[in-house]
Amino acid sequence: AQSVSQHNHHVILSEAASLELGCNYSYGGTVNLFWYVQYPGQHLQLLLKYFSGDPLVKGIKGFEAEFIKSKFSFNLRKPSVQWSDTAEYFCAVNAAGNTGKLIFGQGTTLQVKP
Amino acid sequence: DAMVIQNPRYQVTQFGKPVTLSCSQTLNHNVMYWYQQKSSQAPKLLFHYYDKDFNNEADTPDNFQSRRPNTSFCFLDIRSPGLGDAAMYLCATSTIRTGSEKLFFGSGTQLSVL
Repeated sequence: AQSVSQHNHHVILSEAASLELGCNYSYGGTVNLFWYVQYPGQHLQLLLKYFSGDPLVKGIKGFEAEFIKSKFSFNLRKPSVQWSDTAEYFCAVNAAGNTGKLIFGQGTTLQVKP
Repeated sequence: DAMVIQNPRYQVTQFGKPVTLSCSQTLNHNVMYWYQQKSSQAPKLLFHYYDKDFNNEADTPDNFQSRRPNTSFCFLDIRSPGLGDAAMYLCATSTIRTGSEKLFFGSGTQLSVL
């Protein structure tokens, strides 16, 4: 069965610090990978996704993620975080060609101190 | 403008009393999903509709049912809520279900069971 593991449950950073959130998945076949973000009081929204091509994916608000197939990883990065990045971040995976069923990780709460 | 709308935002019900959560969308998407998210856990897919075709996840309890009377609306019925059903319920939509498309989420309904 597919599963997604996010390494950090709660991360606290100061503004301008660099961010890396870990995500590993277990599935042997071709996958589509996503990062969703949920800002306080708002709905989940897509941050970025990978389904083919360049393994380094750029998303909104300066976020990027790198797909490393050999490590089954899809870590999220941002060189310099802002207070407005405070949110919960979810990594998700979908087996390519599947019925749109996303398997989510348990989420990482990011708190950025001004 | 909200594209996936869930009502109500908070719902309180009594143990064993049937409850219905609603979701509507203005996107005209073919696929609608219901996810359950318990505190500090990953969102978990309960079922989804592809047009009128209902797809239940194998581990979704029989207590949970769904209806989709038309493209725009989808309902989640919990026939006899237990204390363990207290959770955030998320509705999402997507255009098709190849696996690479993004999901559009509603703000969720937080269900409490007394």
